[in-house]
Amino acid sequence: DTAVSQTPKYLVTQMGNDKSIKCEQNLGHDTMYWYKQDSKKFLKIMFSYNNKELIINETVPNRFSPKSPDKAHLNLHINSLELGDSAVYFCASGDRIGEQFFGPGTRLTVL
Amino acid sequence: SQQGEEDPQALSIQEGENATMNCSYKTSINNLQWYRQNSGRGLVHLILIRSNEREKHSGRLRVTLDTSKKSSSLLITASRAADTASYFCATDVNDMRFGAGTRLTVKP
Repeated sequence: DTAVSQTPKYLVTQMGNDKSIKCEQNLGHDTMYWYKQDSKKFLKIMFSYNNKELIINETVPNRFSPKSPDKAHLNLHINSLELGDSAVYFCASGDRIGEQFFGPGTRLTVL
Repeated sequence: SQQGEEDPQALSIQEGENATMNCSYKTSINNLQWYRQNSGRGLVHLILIRSNEREKHSGRLRVTLDTSKKSSSLLITASRAADTASYFCATDVNDMRFGAGTRLTVKP
């Protein structure tokens, strides 16, 4: 009965590869988010989807592309991975100005 | 872009003591939220305070909001080792913005 789930939990890959992280929520929320947390623990929003429409894109490189097949899923595709992409990526869902529920995170390591 | 900024960056106290963390922000808000993050995990919502509220309690947590100073504080009373975590504030201008967090260590 997990509220927000992400897969995989860990992802280790080589520079230049393309990878995806999946996120699913069963809370019936209209809005889902992707956040990046860097090594300094700073949490930064990357994308937000509301009813399958992109409503934020915080100057993230276009190598990152969110895909929302339906309201319960927001996947993150990353092309041509770079060393600086190494971080923990969190998916979340919620109301736009209310409480957000976070997934457990995906630790991405680019070698 | 608008975001909360927590202060101090790190705080270390003994079990049983109170811990106070502060958050400052730059523009008008509708609400401010505090979250906790245990090491290696996602954030957990603690409390939301609306812009027309000045203080809110939840168990051992007390949050204050001073919109004139654009600041909020989170007080954890009678701290426990299990309170060891990073604490983030987030403001809602358009959408959520988080600061870098305060790392709280409670020593048994």
